[in-house]
Amino acid sequence: AQSVAQPEDQVNVAEGNPLTVKCTYSVSGNPYLFWYVQYPNRGLQFLLKYITGDNLVKGSYGFEAEFNKSQTSFHLKKPSALVSDSALYFCAATPFYDYKLSFGAGTTVTVRA
Amino acid sequence: EAQVTQNPRYLITVTGKKLTVTCSQNMNHEYMSWYRQDPGLGLRQIYYSMNVEVTDKGDVPEGYKVSRKEKRNFPLILESPSPNQTSLYFCASSLLASGTPHEQFFGPGTRLTVL
Repeated sequence: AQSVAQPEDQVNVAEGNPLTVKCTYSVSGNPYLFWYVQYPNRGLQFLLKYITGDNLVKGSYGFEAEFNKSQTSFHLKKPSALVSDSALYFCAATPFYDYKLSFGAGTTVTVRA
Repeated sequence: EAQVTQNPRYLITVTGKKLTVTCSQNMNHEYMSWYRQDPGLGLRQIYYSMNVEVTDKGDVPEGYKVSRKEKRNFPLILESPSPNQTSLYFCASSLLASGTPHEQFFGPGTRLTVL
């Protein structure tokens, strides 16, 4: 069975500091990996995805993520966090040629001014 | 405007009273899916559909039904709601490529309370 783990419920950083949100996955075969963001009282928005190719993926709002096959990880990063990045972040995974999507439990990011 | 719409946005009902949450997308996406979001559990997939008349169970299908009679619509049916189905529900759609769903476009959510 496939699964996604986000080991940190909360991440707190100061504005201007680097931000990292961790994600590990367990899927059979090659994975499709995604990050989504949910702002307060809003729906989910797509940030970025990894399908194949370069292990460093760039997405919206200055976010990027690094795919590490040996560690089965797909950590989300931003070099300089903004207060407006405060939100709930979800990692998701699905294997190639599969229709089921698994999401992590989410990580709440708080960026203080 | 490309979008996924859900109705109603808020619903308070009583145990056992059948209800339907509608979902519609205007992007001609093959794949549609329902999720529930609960604190500490993230999003869990209820049902998904790969195309018209093709649906399958996600991780938490018990107590729910779906149908896909048209490509754009994917209603979620609770035939006999119970309090443990109180949750925030999201519908989503996406393209399928290489037999795999790509990035999901989410609706605004439906907050359901079952008393």
